[in-house]
Amino acid sequence: DIQMTQSPSTLSASVGDRVTITCRASESISSWLAWYQQKPGKAPKLLIFKASNLENGVPSRFSGSGSGTEFTLTISSLQPDDFATYFCQQYDSYSWTFGQGTKVEIK
Amino acid sequence: QAHLVESGGGVVQPGTSLRLSCTVSGLTFSTYAMHWVRQAPGKGLEWLADISSDGSKKNYADSGKGRFTISRDNGKNMVFLQMSSLRPDDTGVYYCARESVALDYWGQGALVTVSS
Repeated sequence: DIQMTQSPSTLSASVGDRVTITCRASESISSWLAWYQQKPGKAPKLLIFKASNLENGVPSRFSGSGSGTEFTLTISSLQPDDFATYFCQQYDSYSWTFGQGTKVEIK
Repeated sequence: QAHLVESGGGVVQPGTSLRLSCTVSGLTFSTYAMHWVRQAPGKGLEWLADISSDGSKKNYADSGKGRFTISRDNGKNMVFLQMSSLRPDDTGVYYCARESVALDYWGQGALVTVSS
């Protein structure tokens, strides 16, 4: 199975900060990568699909980039609603896998 | 607007079976592949299985192979996850999700607790 590794596991930041989360795949997944946001007690919410495409209704401060094995999720100016846990997911293979998550905390 | 509702969760003993259901409304169910994803308490997301729109193709994570079976009923707009030989480490919240560009619609989750 393709392994997905996110870094960092936890990130402390302030409102207005630019935040970057990295996701690495154990083998090339082309651009078959999605990013999700999850808040406590809630289902995940799709933010980005196919590495860099913004899902409908997601604020433009979120962006994704990368291809092959290295990907990033960037929040250009962190807002109070953005404190949450973020997961990457590959869907290149028949067996999909998630990264372990990055928790974005208030500094 | 799509709406997905899981049901069938509960507390079960190790070694027993349980079937989760997911009822979907607000979209043309029969044209989409569907997935199950779970989350152990305080842990990350784990993809479990998917099924093609017509039910002819199914894929499973290693953690569920041989124990979990995904199925669907397009006439009733439902997808199921049959789980057998349940273990304490199967405890968690189980989500169904629709595959479009990725997993774009999710249910609220069903809690499964495996404990003696």
